Amino acid sequence: GAVVSQHPSRVICKSGTSVKIECRSLDFQATTMFWYRQFPKQSLMLMATSNEGSKATYEQGVEKDKFLINHASLTLSTLTVTSAHPEDSSFYICSASLASYSNQPQHFGDGTRLSIL
Amino acid sequence: GQSLEQPSEVTAVEGAIVQINCTYQTSGFYGLSWYQQHDGGAPTFLSYNALDGLEETGRFSSFLSRSDSYGYLLLQELQMKDSASYFCAVSIKAAGNKLTFGGGTRVLVKP
Repeated sequence: GAVVSQHPSRVICKSGTSVKIECRSLDFQATTMFWYRQFPKQSLMLMATSNEGSKATYEQGVEKDKFLINHASLTLSTLTVTSAHPEDSSFYICSASLASYSNQPQHFGDGTRLSIL
Repeated sequence: GQSLEQPSEVTAVEGAIVQINCTYQTSGFYGLSWYQQHDGGAPTFLSYNALDGLEETGRFSSFLSRSDSYGYLLLQELQMKDSASYFCAVSIKAAGNKLTFGGGTRVLVKP
């Protein structure tokens, strides 16, 4: 149980393109999902907390107009990288947990490798 | 904010034991988690400590000392497949299950 699916797994596109990444909880409902970015050989940096039915909460330094998050249902959150540029190239990973309690493990999607040419 | 320190890299041979230390600074500490990530893959949950002491899960164990703001992950009977990055992460009371990750420790297991 507790499977998180992320799609697409890889995107290669031209500078200026907007890219949408989907994160789905397949066998449970997730009122909260998290979006991370990871550069090569670095740690996971939390970008934002996606809240079902309300606005996302962004971490300091993350541009909310650049990284649009929508959490329209209890099983789906989307991250749209708008007008992507080469510096946005990274590994984007989402996660969700069965409940909002701190002792619940995060279940991660397989990640999306974004390459902007 | 929160900060976590862990060694950047550890090398060991098959069958050995490796201990990965993690020290943290945070207010409102709630728990310490450990995740494993193979190159190109997603992080997977290994262990969680909210109280002082040792949690054992098969070959992997995790320890926490809240008074020392310190924890460690112990990998026993190392196998080649254990070559991966290991991250400690803290959760704080005010943030539900939001995690802040350490920099990660790359473990390289040699034959």
